[in-house]
Amino acid sequence: EAQVTQNPRYLITVTGKKLTVTCSQNMNHEYMSWYRQDPGLGLRQIYYSMNVEVTDKGDVPEGYKVSRKEKRNFPLILESPSPNQTSLYFCASRRQGIFEKLFFGSGTQLSVL
Amino acid sequence: AQTVTQSQPEMSVQEAETVTLSCTYDTSENNYYLFWYKQPPSRQMILVIRQEAYKQQNATENRFSVNFQKAAKSFSLKISDSQLGDTAMYFCAFKTNYGGSQGNLIFGKGTKLSVKP
Repeated sequence: EAQVTQNPRYLITVTGKKLTVTCSQNMNHEYMSWYRQDPGLGLRQIYYSMNVEVTDKGDVPEGYKVSRKEKRNFPLILESPSPNQTSLYFCASRRQGIFEKLFFGSGTQLSVL
Repeated sequence: AQTVTQSQPEMSVQEAETVTLSCTYDTSENNYYLFWYKQPPSRQMILVIRQEAYKQQNATENRFSVNFQKAAKSFSLKISDSQLGDTAMYFCAFKTNYGGSQGNLIFGKGTKLSVKP
């Protein structure tokens, strides 16, 4: 089944404790992206990747890191999480074409205490 | 910069009736794409409908249709014969390959739709 898999679905952590949210897709998509969703703000892009070893900042990259060493994986790293990073996170992927459908993961609800 | 505005934070509709969700966008580009996504309580993001700006004909997917007014930069979603399963957050989104945006999807803030029995 074609899918984007994110783990974990829920995560509670404390300020400053490094964490990684994993994202993997099985569709051989070139493009991958991370969004965060906050009430009243919609979805905002954190980072995106056009292909392996090619990553770039989205609209809200501060406090996040990503890597794209393999085509299928695009982990989101929070080196020192803070409470303002409490949010719902989505990973998404698609083929390169501009009109291609974006496939979303199931989301990761992160709470930073 | 491109922006997407959804002016209705919340709406409600009676089952079987029709409802229209508004979306406006701002861009100087002529070639772009518009989308409506649905997010039910399960949190899953589901593509409802999409429209290419150069196509005059409004897109339709079963009970979902759009009213695309390019000159007015408006992209509203009409849901006919509303069903309880349509209860969800709806996001309007915009994409262009120009202006340095690299084909990234820009979302509105969402409209929470409740379908009442």
